[in-house]
Amino acid sequence: DAGVIQSPRHEVTEMGQEVTLRCKPISGHNSLFWYRQTMMRGLELLIYFNNNVPIDDSGMPEDRFSAKMPNASFSTLKIQPSEPRDSAVYFCASSTTGQFYGYTFGSGTRLTVV
Amino acid sequence: SQQGEEDPQALSIQEGENATMNCSYKTSINNLQWYRQNSGRGLVHLILIRSNEREKHSGRLRVTLDTSKKSSSLLITASRAADTASYFCASRMDSSYKLIFGSGTRLLVRP
Repeated sequence: DAGVIQSPRHEVTEMGQEVTLRCKPISGHNSLFWYRQTMMRGLELLIYFNNNVPIDDSGMPEDRFSAKMPNASFSTLKIQPSEPRDSAVYFCASSTTGQFYGYTFGSGTRLTVV
Repeated sequence: SQQGEEDPQALSIQEGENATMNCSYKTSINNLQWYRQNSGRGLVHLILIRSNEREKHSGRLRVTLDTSKKSSSLLITASRAADTASYFCASRMDSSYKLIFGSGTRLLVRP
């Protein structure tokens, strides 16, 4: 398995533009997580999907953020409109459902909003 | 907000020495996990210790868990330059899907 695949690796966009981040989880993993990492706030959980259904989106900062998982092999995180404070590294992670499994993380998308 | 806090924030050692990192958490947990993050990369799962376990080994890694003190430690023995990375603890509460990550320890192993 190629692991969790995220695209793009880097994204530079202007304030106000729409940004879409993509994730392909590991086949067979039925839990998917989006995290955001910044120096100030560390790793923050944004949203959690189980079997393609959003279970908890309480970490999504505001209505400008939305996430979808149309099928078991694809998820998107969209920011519209983007703002400079959204600049961060966004990680997607997947896992087998269950208490005693670790997460497999993608390499992340480094987003810079100018 | 993050549940875990780690210390030290940064650690610099010579190759061959042991590195010890500590993690504290605030609430009752089901298990605690350690992850490594190399610069510019995603996190990699290293080891998981259950709340009813006190110590666990994996290769050069040794993890301890003290639930009475709500703390854990990660020991890397005979460190190598390739161990240079940030290390994060992550706690999982009972009946929760969430992993709450600590602030991390930046480890530098000097050749």
